[in-house]
Amino acid sequence: QKEVEQDPGPLSVPEGAIVSLNCTYSNSAFQYFMWYRQYSRKGPELLMYTYSSGNKEDGRFTAQVDKSSKYISLFIRDSQPSDSATYLCAMSTYNAGNMLTFGGGTRLMVKP
Amino acid sequence: DGGITQSPKYLFRKEGQNVTLSCEQNLNHDAMYWYRQDPGQGLRLIYYSQIVNDFQKGDIAEGYSVSREKKESFPLTVTSAQKNPTAFYLCASSTNNQPQHFGDGTRLSIL
Repeated sequence: QKEVEQDPGPLSVPEGAIVSLNCTYSNSAFQYFMWYRQYSRKGPELLMYTYSSGNKEDGRFTAQVDKSSKYISLFIRDSQPSDSATYLCAMSTYNAGNMLTFGGGTRLMVKP
Repeated sequence: DGGITQSPKYLFRKEGQNVTLSCEQNLNHDAMYWYRQDPGQGLRLIYYSQIVNDFQKGDIAEGYSVSREKKESFPLTVTSAQKNPTAFYLCASSTNNQPQHFGDGTRLSIL
């Protein structure tokens, strides 16, 4: 069993929909949680970063962490075709920059 | 513009050949990392370096080598011992308990 599980998709939604992307994990020591967006043939780009449990909002994006359930989510409101990409979750234990464990990524397609 | 530059974007390797992938950052970050990404898989750590002249093996270091002679540079050599080198290679850097930032990758293929 992988330490971080993520549904690979693809997830196809119409433009304007609310998108929910999720990761589950098994290591209760994870404290730092990140979401990266990766366009085809590009490197991952940091979208959201949270520490411990709770919610964080940035524009159309909301990240949620539920440590009791070992479950994190990324919500995208009013989705746009430009949101079409692969979304990777990543997490670490003692330092946000070190020893990240990644999910396999979910491919999202937003159709006009 | 601060960032991480990886070169070349595409690289082809012949049998028995070593190839070197370049990674340069001007973010003044202390730590640098190399990952391998295969289709449909997450990133797997090859090597990392927390400080100049020091580096550590990651989860899949066999068949790879690195050096860290300068803070801004962390080249990765894919040796002939790496039997399945076809992949997308990503370099990242970080500092001060902040998340990693990535370059745009090098795609390595076998001739």
